[in-house]
Amino acid sequence: DSGVTQTPKHLITATGQRVTLRCSPRSGDLSVYWYQQSLDQGLQFLIQYYNGEERAKGNILERFSAQQFPDLHSELNLSSLELGDSALYFCASSLYSGRGYEQYFGPGTRLTVT
Amino acid sequence: QQQVKQSPQSLIVQKGGISIINCAYENTAFDYFPWYQQFPGKGPALLIAIRPDVSEKKEGRFTISFNKSAKQFSLHIMDSQPGDSATYFCAASKRNNNAGNMLTFGGGTRLMVKP
Repeated sequence: DSGVTQTPKHLITATGQRVTLRCSPRSGDLSVYWYQQSLDQGLQFLIQYYNGEERAKGNILERFSAQQFPDLHSELNLSSLELGDSALYFCASSLYSGRGYEQYFGPGTRLTVT
Repeated sequence: QQQVKQSPQSLIVQKGGISIINCAYENTAFDYFPWYQQFPGKGPALLIAIRPDVSEKKEGRFTISFNKSAKQFSLHIMDSQPGDSATYFCAASKRNNNAGNMLTFGGGTRLMVKP
């Protein structure tokens, strides 16, 4: 158990809908990362927050947004969902930002768009 | 553009054998190379990581070999065990102006260790 929690574990929704994925980092970790894992794209970095501020941005679609709250939990919002958004979404956390700080991954949220 | 290429996609090794997974990168700005292990239904977990100022790093049965000039690095699992059966990902990251830490992952290798 990495100490990172993600809810919900599974989510099934229809195209065009909006969902929110939630992540609680390990106790004491200030940085949160979101990754998408799909069969065709593999594991892709979406976005990173550090102590409430955006630090790095990857191939995140404009329909997706994220934020980190004062209590350090993070939410990933996915809107206007398409079939291709079906994937595993992982949250990870690390103590600080920057290279070399181990990223601890949560168990993931499996999103199915029908 | 796939910045980190990983091979093979799948690997079958006998118990006690050596598992070797290779990765190649294109971006010379990468300067941190971790390997992750992922079991079905779980998130990836860090196994071992290396910086380009060393050519090899060993932790238990796991060794990373790094060739900076060839822009390649590999994971060796000695005395492979059935419990090592998992998907392995290499990754790379680079210095970010904002001190971010974006990991770029390889495509993954599904390892099966036969008893």
